[in-house]
Amino acid sequence: KAGVTQTPRYLIKTRGQQVTLSCSPISGHRSVSWYQQTPGQGLQFLFEYFSETQRNKGNFPGRFSGRQFSNSRSEMNVSTLELGDSALYLCASSFLSGRGYEQFFGPGTRLTVL
Amino acid sequence: AQSVSQHNHHVILSEAASLELGCNYSYGGTVNLFWYVQYPGQHLQLLLKYFSGDPLVKGIKGFEAEFIKSKFSFNLRKPSVQWSDTAEYFCAVNANAGKSTFGDGTTLTVKP
Repeated sequence: KAGVTQTPRYLIKTRGQQVTLSCSPISGHRSVSWYQQTPGQGLQFLFEYFSETQRNKGNFPGRFSGRQFSNSRSEMNVSTLELGDSALYLCASSFLSGRGYEQFFGPGTRLTVL
Repeated sequence: AQSVSQHNHHVILSEAASLELGCNYSYGGTVNLFWYVQYPGQHLQLLLKYFSGDPLVKGIKGFEAEFIKSKFSFNLRKPSVQWSDTAEYFCAVNANAGKSTFGDGTTLTVKP
């Protein structure tokens, strides 16, 4: 099976702009989660989508939003970018095995806000 | 709320030394526990996982971890590290579907 793919891999934006990141999960996985990774805060959970519905949400401002399509692909949007939004954004594809959820991570999108 | 604490931010070892990375979590219910590794320039990869059963779990590349429920701990071990084990290691707790809580990570540097 192909792994989790994220596009684009690198992105440079300026303050005030908005950005959309995309994630394609492993085939058959219906859950997609997003995380923000920074040197200072580590890995922080943003939100999870399952069957086109947001199932879990982290503690991020409303500028961070997402959605999921019927084919399980997910997009994440950040509006009114701030310098502090510079980070590696990771997407994880999850499936429920008989014993619990397992997550598989994509390579991430490196966002730089200037 | 869940929280995960990794005891060491940076560990430096010589090749063939033994490794133990500490991880403690805070959560009152049933959890699934994971260790992930992130090699330089690469994405997060699963090292090992604990769902239930035998508290000693074995993962890839000779790593193992022991779940001690009474101590809320899930420490990672490897008897003999190699230079190629240089990476960042993350402990994670999952108690809610696709939402995991990660520790701050431990950077391991192995000197040849």
